Amino acid sequence: GQNIDQPTEMTATEGAIVQINCTYQTSGFNGLFWYQQHAGEAPTFLSYNVLDGLEEKGRFSSFLSRSKGYSYLLLKELQMKDSASYLCAVRDLRNYGGATNKLIFGTGTLLAVQP
Amino acid sequence: GAGVSQSPSNKVTEKGKDVELRCDPISGHTALYWYRQSLGQGLEFLIYFQGNSAPDKSGLPSDRFSAERTGGSVSTLTIQRTQQEDSAVYLCASSRYSNQPQHFGDGTRLSIL
Repeated sequence: GQNIDQPTEMTATEGAIVQINCTYQTSGFNGLFWYQQHAGEAPTFLSYNVLDGLEEKGRFSSFLSRSKGYSYLLLKELQMKDSASYLCAVRDLRNYGGATNKLIFGTGTLLAVQP
Repeated sequence: GAGVSQSPSNKVTEKGKDVELRCDPISGHTALYWYRQSLGQGLEFLIYFQGNSAPDKSGLPSDRFSAERTGGSVSTLTIQRTQQEDSAVYLCASSRYSNQPQHFGDGTRLSIL
């Protein structure tokens, strides 16, 4: 089966650092994505990890441990505009009879940044 | 436009009617995906198209759902005999190649009365 878990909600203070965790249990794993989604808008791509380790991109960093089925998204110097849902998604390349490339999403973590 | 375009942005219809949702992917993107997002739920994969290969339809919830992609570009998702549980935001995404990040459209908010 496939299971992706992330906290439902988090609250943090403007200027601080927040870490959003994601654990997964899937077969056919081929990479983990983080997306940001503001209310009523499309998800936007933040980061992609396929190998173990940390990927840094400005104020955002993402970490992956494949052996532990674990990832986190780190947001530094939080701004009010960072208030959004953060979606963890695993790429599934299992062969169903043909090639596939679907993303399996967690339910998302709603982050509220307070002044 | 430069992004994935979906239409209509909102659709309200009566139970039992058929609906068609349209997706224009980013120009040059070979892969196209449909997902749906219900209130309080994560995005749920529906179907994946890659070039001229047979699509992965494994996420379609019932035979009332179908999708096609004509000419390797525009895609249409059709829901026949709509039910109230079909109410959701239907999101389309595309990527240049299958191993690259997916870029999402703003979605179609479907409400079944």
